[in-house]
Amino acid sequence: AQSVSQHNHHVILSEAASLELGCNYSYGGTVNLFWYVQYPGQHLQLLLKYFSGDPLVKGIKGFEAEFIKSKFSFNLRKPSVQWSDTAEYFCAVNGENTDKLIFGTGTRLQVFP
Amino acid sequence: DAGITQSPRHKVTETGTPVTLRCHQTENHRYMYWYRQDPGHGLRLIHYSYGVKDTDKGEVSDGYSVSRSKTEDFLLTLESATSSQTSVYFCATRAGIHGYTFGSGTRLTVV
Repeated sequence: AQSVSQHNHHVILSEAASLELGCNYSYGGTVNLFWYVQYPGQHLQLLLKYFSGDPLVKGIKGFEAEFIKSKFSFNLRKPSVQWSDTAEYFCAVNGENTDKLIFGTGTRLQVFP
Repeated sequence: DAGITQSPRHKVTETGTPVTLRCHQTENHRYMYWYRQDPGHGLRLIHYSYGVKDTDKGEVSDGYSVSRSKTEDFLLTLESATSSQTSVYFCATRAGIHGYTFGSGTRLTVV
């Protein structure tokens, strides 16, 4: 079975600080990996996804993530956060031989001006 | 997203009553999913469908049933609602390698 762990439950940063959110998955095969963002009161929006190829993936709003297969990790990064990045961030995995997208428990990010 | 409509958007119901939530898509996607979102749990998969009349259980399927009689509609039914099913329910669709698209959610309160 596939699973996802997000170890940072709540992160508080000042504007312009750098961000890295951890995501580790468990699955014994090829995976597709996703990061979603949910702004307060809204539905999920895709930030970026990894299917194959370059393990460094660039997404919208200046976010990027790096797939490290040996560590089963797909950490999300942003060099300089803004107040508007305040939201909840979800990592998700879809094992290649499954039809299911499984989410981590999410990380709540608060950015203060 | 414009291609997925969830109804109702909000519902309050009493314990023990049946409730049906509807997800309608206009994208002709084969795969459809129902998730529930709860604080501290993220999104958990309830049921999913891989075609008309083809459905399977997710992580938290107890107390829920689904039906898909047409490609565009995926219904989630709570046969006898309980307070533990108070949650925000999201529908999603998938189209090949293009990833998943989520609806705007249904906020269900069971009193």
